[in-house]
Amino acid sequence: DIQMTQSPSSLSASVGDRVTITCRASQSIDIYLSWYQQKPGKAPKLLIYSASSLQSGVPSRFSGSGSGTDFTLTISSLQPEDFATYFCHQSFSTPLTFGGGTKVEIK
Amino acid sequence: EAQLVESGGGLVQPGRSLRLSCVASGFTFDDYGVHWVRQAPGKGLEWVSGISWNSGSIAYADSVKGRFTISRDNGNNSLYLQMNSLRSEDMALYFCAKARGYKWPLYYDAFDMWGQGTMVTVSS
Repeated sequence: DIQMTQSPSSLSASVGDRVTITCRASQSIDIYLSWYQQKPGKAPKLLIYSASSLQSGVPSRFSGSGSGTDFTLTISSLQPEDFATYFCHQSFSTPLTFGGGTKVEIK
Repeated sequence: EAQLVESGGGLVQPGRSLRLSCVASGFTFDDYGVHWVRQAPGKGLEWVSGISWNSGSIAYADSVKGRFTISRDNGNNSLYLQMNSLRSEDMALYFCAKARGYKWPLYYDAFDMWGQGTMVTVSS
């Protein structure tokens, strides 16, 4: 099974900060990596698919990059509504797997 | 408005069975793969199972293989998860999720629509 390791597990940031979250796969997954945002008590929301493609309706301050084993989600200017938990997810092979999550908190 | 609505969760004793359902509306259900993803209280996301648009491809997480069965009824826009021999570690909020790709394989894809989840509690 492909293991997905996210870092950091949590971070504190201020509105307007640039935030970067990383995800590392235990083997190459090409570009088959997506990112989700989850707020408490809510279902996850797709932000990025195929490593760098922005899902329709998602603000352009979110961006993704990477291929192979190393990936990054960047929020260029953190907004109040962005405080949430973020998960990466590989769909290169089954069983599909998720990273452990990164909780973004208010500093 | 396109949506997924899960049902069937509840309190069940260890070793017993439960069947979850997910009803889709607002999109052409039989053109897309669908999956079950669960989240234990306070924990991360765990993929459970997925089924392709035509039921031709099915996969399970190792943790549920042999105990859970996924199926779909395209005529009724419905997805199901039959869960047998339930364990305490199966206790979680179960989401159904729609694959993004049109008539795509189970892999190489992302989940672009999620239901609100149905809670499964396993306890004696």
